[in-house]
Amino acid sequence: DAGVIQSPRHEVTEMGQEVTLRCKPISGHNSLFWYRQTMMRGLELLIYFNNNVPIDDSGMPEDRFSAKMPNASFSTLKIQPSEPRDSAVYFCASSLSTGNEQFFGPGTRLTVL
Amino acid sequence: DAKTTQPPSMDCAEGRAANLPCNHSTISGNEYVYWYRQIHSQGPQYIIHGLKNNETNEMASLIITEDRKSSTLILPHATLRDTAVYYCIVTLGVQGGKLIFGQGTELSVKP
Repeated sequence: DAGVIQSPRHEVTEMGQEVTLRCKPISGHNSLFWYRQTMMRGLELLIYFNNNVPIDDSGMPEDRFSAKMPNASFSTLKIQPSEPRDSAVYFCASSLSTGNEQFFGPGTRLTVL
Repeated sequence: DAKTTQPPSMDCAEGRAANLPCNHSTISGNEYVYWYRQIHSQGPQYIIHGLKNNETNEMASLIITEDRKSSTLILPHATLRDTAVYYCIVTLGVQGGKLIFGQGTELSVKP
């Protein structure tokens, strides 16, 4: 199994631009999680899905952030418009179901200039 | 979810056992103790979890005190590749709890 796949691995963009991060969970996993990691705030859960349905988005910082899971094998996290304070490493993780061990992807390092 | 307290950093000699403590004095009866680690620049990796009993797998052992207010993760023979940040997390686990990551313990394994 290839594990959780994230793209792109690195993204550099300018303030105000739209950014889309992509995630392919492990086949057969029903739960998908998006995290953000910064030096100041550590690793934070942004949102998670169960069976493609958003269950808890209380960690999404503001309306500029949105996440979708159109099918069991694909999810996106979009930031529009992006700001320098959004610079972070964004991780996607999946698990067989909510509460089971989570498998993390390699992350997307986002830099907003 | 209950809060956890871990030392910010620890050192361990290569080949020796690494014992990483975690305090979770407010844990409730249906909450699990999970351990993850994050090697530099990689995503976190699941290590082990437990409810009441001690647990062991190919990576580590988890010792939970009888009152469940603290636990210790044991890496029996630490290698340089075990250098990482180790996170102790208390969560409802399979009952639907989220993973709330604290600051963790930065373990440095030295030759």
